[in-house]
Amino acid sequence: DSGVTQTPKHLITATGQRVTLRCSPRSGDLSVYWYQQSLDQGLQFLIQYYNGEERAKGNILERFSAQQFPDLHSELNLSSLELGDSALYFCASSVGRRGVTDTQYFGPGTRLTVL
Amino acid sequence: AQSVAQPEDQVNVAEGNPLTVKCTYSVSGNPYLFWYVQYPNRGLQFLLKYITGDNLVKGSYGFEAEFNKSQTSFHLKKPSALVSDSALYFCAVRDENSGYSTLTFGKGTMLLVSP
Repeated sequence: DSGVTQTPKHLITATGQRVTLRCSPRSGDLSVYWYQQSLDQGLQFLIQYYNGEERAKGNILERFSAQQFPDLHSELNLSSLELGDSALYFCASSVGRRGVTDTQYFGPGTRLTVL
Repeated sequence: AQSVAQPEDQVNVAEGNPLTVKCTYSVSGNPYLFWYVQYPNRGLQFLLKYITGDNLVKGSYGFEAEFNKSQTSFHLKKPSALVSDSALYFCAVRDENSGYSTLTFGKGTMLLVSP
């Protein structure tokens, strides 16, 4: 158990809908990262937050947004969902002091299915 | 830009035999290298990392990895494979010049250990 928690574990929804994925980082970690894992694209970095502020952005669609709250938990919002958004969404956390040498610890993921 | 390649989609090895999972990288500065393992329907688990120092890095579950700067490689090894080692293995790299903590992952290598 990495100490990173994600809810829900599974989510089934319809095209055009909006969902929110939640992540709680390990105790003491200030950085949160979101990744998307799909069969065709592999593991893609979406976005990183550090202590409430956006720090780095990857291949995140405009329909997706995220935020990190004062208690350091983070939410990933996915809107206008398409079939191709079906994937595993992972959250990871790290201490985030310097960042570059940090180890990221991953949560168990949320499996999103868009029908 | 930073990139990482895992040239083998799948590696097959018999239990008790040594295993190697290959990884090569490309960065502009010094690399920081990571190996993760993913079991079915689970998140990624951290195995080991290379930041600096000894080229042979020891990690969890008896795994080790050898950093080779001239060949830009960071192959994962284990002297004696177990059936329970069967999983998906990811190599990841971060360039010291990449700013914050963006990790780039390889596409993953499926390791199958037969009894």
